[in-house]
Amino acid sequence: RKEVEQDPGPFNVPEGATVAFNCTYSNSASQSFFWYRQDCRKEPKLLMSVYSSGNEDGRFTAQLNRASQYISLLIRDSKLSDSATYLCVVNIVTGRRALTFGSGTRLQVQP
Amino acid sequence: EPEVTQTPSHQVTQMGQEVILRCVPISNHLYFYWYRQILGQKVEFLVSFYNNEISEKSEIFDDQFSVERPDGSNFTLKIRSTKLEDSAMYFCASSERLAGVERTDTQYFGPGTRLTVL
Repeated sequence: RKEVEQDPGPFNVPEGATVAFNCTYSNSASQSFFWYRQDCRKEPKLLMSVYSSGNEDGRFTAQLNRASQYISLLIRDSKLSDSATYLCVVNIVTGRRALTFGSGTRLQVQP
Repeated sequence: EPEVTQTPSHQVTQMGQEVILRCVPISNHLYFYWYRQILGQKVEFLVSFYNNEISEKSEIFDDQFSVERPDGSNFTLKIRSTKLEDSAMYFCASSERLAGVERTDTQYFGPGTRLTVL
């Protein structure tokens, strides 16, 4: 089983749509969770950290389900500028700082 | 807004040559990292560095690789004898001290160096 698994997409959605991405992770000891965004041939940029209670930042909502080892990202009112690859990222804080990346889910928002 | 910088943006080298990739982490950060991304593949961890020593490394980070903090600002990745399969984008990242499990230790990435080995 892959350490961090994501649906590669692509998700093609019209502007204004709501889209949800899911991610599963294999290591139950994982402690920290993030969504990063990566534009083509650019660096990963932090979109949001994912906390146990779930969190929201504007149009973006992240949820964590530790029992199912599942993380989600919801994007509401999609904009053209949201087109990118969304990376699910996990790290095991205790004694280890390395981030483990999923392969990413590609989103294409169309006019 | 402070950011991680990397030079060069693109490095072309011949197989067997040594390369040094340079990074300037965010100034008040204490942890430094190198990651790589082969074209079309996921980002992979190479090494982390704290207090002038390697704190962890992946199986990719073999004897051909080394890291150094030669002064107060630069953080370098050296590949001693490059192979074709070292061609990738190399990202440097940095983070502050961990402030607790719930407050996550965010890593900020530089723009990357594209390494092409011919």
